[in-house]
Amino acid sequence: GENVEQHPSTLSVQEGDSAVIKCTYSDSASNYFPWYKQELGKRPQLIIDIRSNVGEKKDQRIAVTLNKTAKHFSLHITETQPEDSAVYFCAASKNYKLSFGAGTTVTVRA
Amino acid sequence: NAGVTQTPKFRVLKTGQSMTLLCAQDMNHEYMYWYRQDPGMGLRLIHYSVGEGTTAKGEVPDGYNVSRLKKQNFLLGLESAAPSQTSVYFCASNGMTGSQPQHFGDGTRLSIL
Repeated sequence: GENVEQHPSTLSVQEGDSAVIKCTYSDSASNYFPWYKQELGKRPQLIIDIRSNVGEKKDQRIAVTLNKTAKHFSLHITETQPEDSAVYFCAASKNYKLSFGAGTTVTVRA
Repeated sequence: NAGVTQTPKFRVLKTGQSMTLLCAQDMNHEYMYWYRQDPGMGLRLIHYSVGEGTTAKGEVPDGYNVSRLKKQNFLLGLESAAPSQTSVYFCASNGMTGSQPQHFGDGTRLSIL
């Protein structure tokens, strides 16, 4: 099955700086890559996603890049704010099943 | 529009007891999923369904059973609960294609003593 690795496991950034989370996947047939944000005690919520026919996608301060050849994708958060503090999960999908990374705990220091 | 609703939100069981977790969605989604979330391990797929009357095993199916008798409901059963099944359980659903976002419920926090 699909194996998704996510790094780093924890990330601490100064408010206003950028944060980058990287994921790799094993199955070259995977074609959908969502990112979820999960606040403590809450449900995972989709923040951005990218499909395999696109190399980059941006939504305000959040961007995702995909390198199909290298089988890795990354989440970039610019101008971080305290409300960006959460656990972020990457995932990869072939057909309809998602395989998740282990998560990155992001802490934004004021 | 409620989206995905899970009941109960919390439950404490004794080893060997049984229980059923209910997931209901009102978005007319074909696909439904049950995950468990443990610290440091992300979300792992237990079972899933691609339509009414269908179920299939995911990554960690042992000790669980599921049923999808109605399109809007997906039930997760624990026949004989074990302490290793202490976890937070999330239900999710999405539409007809694989590249549609999965919508998650609020989760069920289950403790097995």
